[in-house]
Amino acid sequence: GAVVSQHPSWVICKSGTSVKIECRSLDFQATTMFWYRQFPKQSLMLMATSNEGSKATYEQGVEKDKFLINHASLTLSTLTVTSAHPEDSSFYICSASPGGNYNSPLHFGNGTRLTVT
Amino acid sequence: SQKIEQNSEALNIQEGKTATLTCNYTNYSPAYLQWYRQDPGRGPVFLLLIRENEKEKRKERLKVTFDTTLKQSLFHITASQPADSATYLCALDMPQNDMRFGAGTRLTVKP
Repeated sequence: GAVVSQHPSWVICKSGTSVKIECRSLDFQATTMFWYRQFPKQSLMLMATSNEGSKATYEQGVEKDKFLINHASLTLSTLTVTSAHPEDSSFYICSASPGGNYNSPLHFGNGTRLTVT
Repeated sequence: SQKIEQNSEALNIQEGKTATLTCNYTNYSPAYLQWYRQDPGRGPVFLLLIRENEKEKRKERLKVTFDTTLKQSLFHITASQPADSATYLCALDMPQNDMRFGAGTRLTVKP
């Protein structure tokens, strides 16, 4: 089955530093990947849609200069949290669909737990 | 704006019983509705997809219904097992071509 790999699974960083999270589709090509943030006992909140070869589309209220997304190849998207602050601490998850359209089942990475101290 | 409501934050049932989880939505009627399972500290895993013109979908012990009049989907797990304990999320397609998720229902199946 389709596999999405996310790395790292957890990271602790100091306030003011930047953290990069990778999302890879291992056995399929993904022109589109999605990035979510999830707080404890809350739903997945879509942050942005990552498009291969073009700019990401950000959801309302998500700062594009703070959450930099790069989708340089058909199998890799990266999310960089710049100048991280404690309030950025959260569970970040990516997803992609082998079907290629938005209504196909999504395959998720196992998430990255970010803790900013 | 579209609201997605899953009936309860937590549901506890006895092993062997049928678990029924509810997903209600307002406003926009989705063409598709999906159900996912999420274990603690992991990403969601796709379970079932049901289209607006389908009333019911089954997969092994799982059954999903979709009532566009009531704007509701029901997710059933029959003969539940402790291993079914997890958070279950419903997701709807949106006009802007992305998926939106409910907050989830945390199911606990007690032996």
